[in-house]
Amino acid sequence: GNSVTQMEGPVTLSEEAFLTINCTYTATGYPSLFWYVQYPGEGLQLLLKATKADDKGSNKGFEATYRKETTSFHLEKGSVQVSDSAVYFCALSATGNQFYFGTGTSLTVIP
Amino acid sequence: DADVTQTPRNRITKTGKRIMLECSQTKGHDRMYWYRQDPGLGLRLIYYSFDVKDINKGEISDGYSVSRQAQAKFSLSLESAIPNQTALYFCATSDRRGSSYNEQFFGPGTRLTVL
Repeated sequence: GNSVTQMEGPVTLSEEAFLTINCTYTATGYPSLFWYVQYPGEGLQLLLKATKADDKGSNKGFEATYRKETTSFHLEKGSVQVSDSAVYFCALSATGNQFYFGTGTSLTVIP
Repeated sequence: DADVTQTPRNRITKTGKRIMLECSQTKGHDRMYWYRQDPGLGLRLIYYSFDVKDINKGEISDGYSVSRQAQAKFSLSLESAIPNQTALYFCATSDRRGSSYNEQFFGPGTRLTVL
């Protein structure tokens, strides 16, 4: 079946630190992979996506590479800011356009 | 104006009451979804609909029902609310046109508390 496993939080970092949030997946076929971000009190919004192996998605300084050989889609950012504090969800979309979400990783960035 | 709206945004109700959560979208998307979010469990799919005459159960449909009144409207009902249905509920939409694996667009959520 389809599933997503992501790094448990919470994660606390100092401003300008390097961020990695791990995400691995199990899927039939060739899924598309996504990172969504949820700011406090808001719904989820797309952060970045990749639709095929070796694609790199990037947005707002975040990036993630679709690694088929390791079934991974780790989120990275070189220098986090206080405004990046949020919950991050890894997700996949397989045949039928159903989405499967990870459990979410809470990130807090302190000044 | 928001593309995906949910009403109410917050609701407190009592065990055994019937409650309806509503979702409307102006994106023109054909697909709509209802999820619930619980701490530590992420988002779980309750029901989804690929067009007005199509309704499908998701991972956790027991205790819930839905109605797709129009392409733009998708409502979620709890026939007899129970405390473990206390959660944050999200509506989402997507579009089958174009790429096969489209982005989902989320509403702002409804926080439901069942006492």
